[in-house]
Amino acid sequence: DVKVTQSSRYLVKRTGEKVFLECVQDMDHENMFWYRQDPGLGLRLIYFSYDVKMKEKGDIPEGYSVSREKKERFSLILESASTNQTSMYLCASSLLSIPTDGYTFGSGTRLTVV
Amino acid sequence: AQSVTQLDSQVPVFEEAPVELRCNYSSSVSVYLFWYVQYPNQGLQLLLKYLSGSTLVESINGFEAEFNKSQTSFHLRKPSVHISDTAEYFCAVTFIKAAGNKLTFGGGTRVLVKP
Repeated sequence: DVKVTQSSRYLVKRTGEKVFLECVQDMDHENMFWYRQDPGLGLRLIYFSYDVKMKEKGDIPEGYSVSREKKERFSLILESASTNQTSMYLCASSLLSIPTDGYTFGSGTRLTVV
Repeated sequence: AQSVTQLDSQVPVFEEAPVELRCNYSSSVSVYLFWYVQYPNQGLQLLLKYLSGSTLVESINGFEAEFNKSQTSFHLRKPSVHISDTAEYFCAVTFIKAAGNKLTFGGGTRVLVKP
């Protein structure tokens, strides 16, 4: 089975800090995604990547950036954390660009910005 | 524009009763359809999917969903729920050759099974 591993389960950061959320997948998937999950809003796409060093904005990229230096690793960066970025962050990956098997998700990182 | 709507944010249901979770989408292109389940403090797991063929699809734990093209719906049902079905359920759609072929998610439906 594909595993998607998010390095932290819970994080507490201060307003203004630079925050790194790490995600690693172990099955050579081309495509990786970062979502945030908020009650009643479902999952909203922040950024995605179809290849190494390639990135594209999703629906809510403001305040975030990403890095994909290696195929298996996709990092989400909060340049200056704010309280409205308190949320659950989910990383996902897929083999195919048209995901006939859907996405495989990590367990999530619950970030609290104080 | 493509969108996915889950009509119920919360569904309380008694154990062994049936449950239906509604999902509608708007699209002018072909779609792939998915239901995911998220148990407390876990990530999302794929429950079932529709790509083509029979419009009724089933999961290994008793859920089923039916694709209705004319009504652009993909409702999820289970005839008899268990306490362990308490979770949040997400409908997701790939709008083929649109929206970058990415999954678009509904807002989620939280199912609380009561004894």
